[in-house]
Amino acid sequence: AQKITQTQPGMFVQEKEAVTLDCTYDTSDPSYGLFWYKQPSSGEMIFLIYQGSYDQQNATEGRYSLNFQKARKSANLVISASQLGDSAMYFCAMREGRSNFGNEKLTFGTGTRLTIIP
Amino acid sequence: DAGVTQSPTHLIKTRGQHVTLRCSPISGHKSVSWYQQVLGQGPQFIFQYYEKEERGRGNFPDRFSARQFPNYSSELNVNALLLGDSALYLCASVGWTDTQYFGPGTRLTVL
Repeated sequence: AQKITQTQPGMFVQEKEAVTLDCTYDTSDPSYGLFWYKQPSSGEMIFLIYQGSYDQQNATEGRYSLNFQKARKSANLVISASQLGDSAMYFCAMREGRSNFGNEKLTFGTGTRLTIIP
Repeated sequence: DAGVTQSPTHLIKTRGQHVTLRCSPISGHKSVSWYQQVLGQGPQFIFQYYEKEERGRGNFPDRFSARQFPNYSSELNVNALLLGDSALYLCASVGWTDTQYFGPGTRLTVL
């Protein structure tokens, strides 16, 4: 079974609209971390937001928020007021187990290509 | 502060050759991870090193090896290159916050 599933290969969104990128995960470990990264055409993976499995509140970072629904095992990324510069690939990733300097292996999904239309 | 740096940016090799990729983590970070990203896919974990010791290995053949130096920089070595090794190789460093910060990557083309 896939550990990280991103079901939207591509999305087109009008500039200034909000967009939700879907991510579901599969793990039996009670301790895990969920990450979202942005990858522009240049190739660099840019960290956006992190959610720990024990965090009580949804993570937020500026225009990015993570809609964490633990029972559903989903961790959707919400981008508010989208901008042209948001056009890129977006990857959801998971670290299973507690972070202890040797256990930071990330498992990535297949990504969603987001295109913002002016 | 400088981010994660990788060299070279691009590399073209032929089948059977050997390649060495280099990575310097963010200052103060002691852990480095390597990932392979084939075109159209998400990155796949290759290795993680912490304090010069291998702490994790992904499902890659023995042709792939790595090491970490006392200054926490790292090298990824790939022997007997195959066409399928063509990919973007990403290095990430991990600090106290658990977040992995990635470098710009090395794009390897095997002809």
